[in-house]
Amino acid sequence: DAKTTQPTSMDCAEGRAANLPCNHSTISGNEYVYWYRQIHSQGPQYIIHGLKNNETNEMASLIITEDRKSSTLILPHATLRDTAVYYCIVRIPTSGAGSYQLTFGKGTKLSVIP
Amino acid sequence: NAGVTQTPKFRILKIGQSMTLQCAQDMNHNYMYWYRQDPGMGLKLIYYSVGAGITDKGEVPNGYNVSRSTTEDFPLRLELAAPSQTSVYFCASNGRNINQPQHFGDGTRLSIL
Repeated sequence: DAKTTQPTSMDCAEGRAANLPCNHSTISGNEYVYWYRQIHSQGPQYIIHGLKNNETNEMASLIITEDRKSSTLILPHATLRDTAVYYCIVRIPTSGAGSYQLTFGKGTKLSVIP
Repeated sequence: NAGVTQTPKFRILKIGQSMTLQCAQDMNHNYMYWYRQDPGMGLKLIYYSVGAGITDKGEVPNGYNVSRSTTEDFPLRLELAAPSQTSVYFCASNGRNINQPQHFGDGTRLSIL
């Protein structure tokens, strides 16, 4: 099972880009990388996912290195509402096709500072 | 579109009591999951379901039961509540496409005293 490594915490000034790194050196060739965040013990919120190409949506951008051993989540203009714990996840399939377990580590606590 | 709805949001139980945590989704998702999150820790999978009538154990199933009589609902049952089951419980679902992300409810905060 692929494991991920993230820094425990990061600070970012409001309005600046927040770049959150993740290492997943044991990822297999067909596994996607997912990013979620959790604000104040609310339910995890899906942000973005990708396989090998860079991805962008209305929330964030995801940059995956060519060897797929690491990725970076970019919040282009961080706001105070982006203060949360961010999780980088490589999912683990369960027995049913299409179902999978998300293994959340401790994530990165991002603090956006005014 | 409500997404994944969990009820109740908070509950306090006495040791030995039983209760059912409700989870419903309106996205016609086949796959549904129950996770628990202990303070300062990540989520652990309790049970999951790949469709109506089909359920299977996850990482930490002891002390829990589930059923899936409809596509929409996936209740989690605690039969004999124990202090070790004090946690926040999250329900999630995803669609048939294997790469679709899981979407989570807002959780049920359960304390057992």
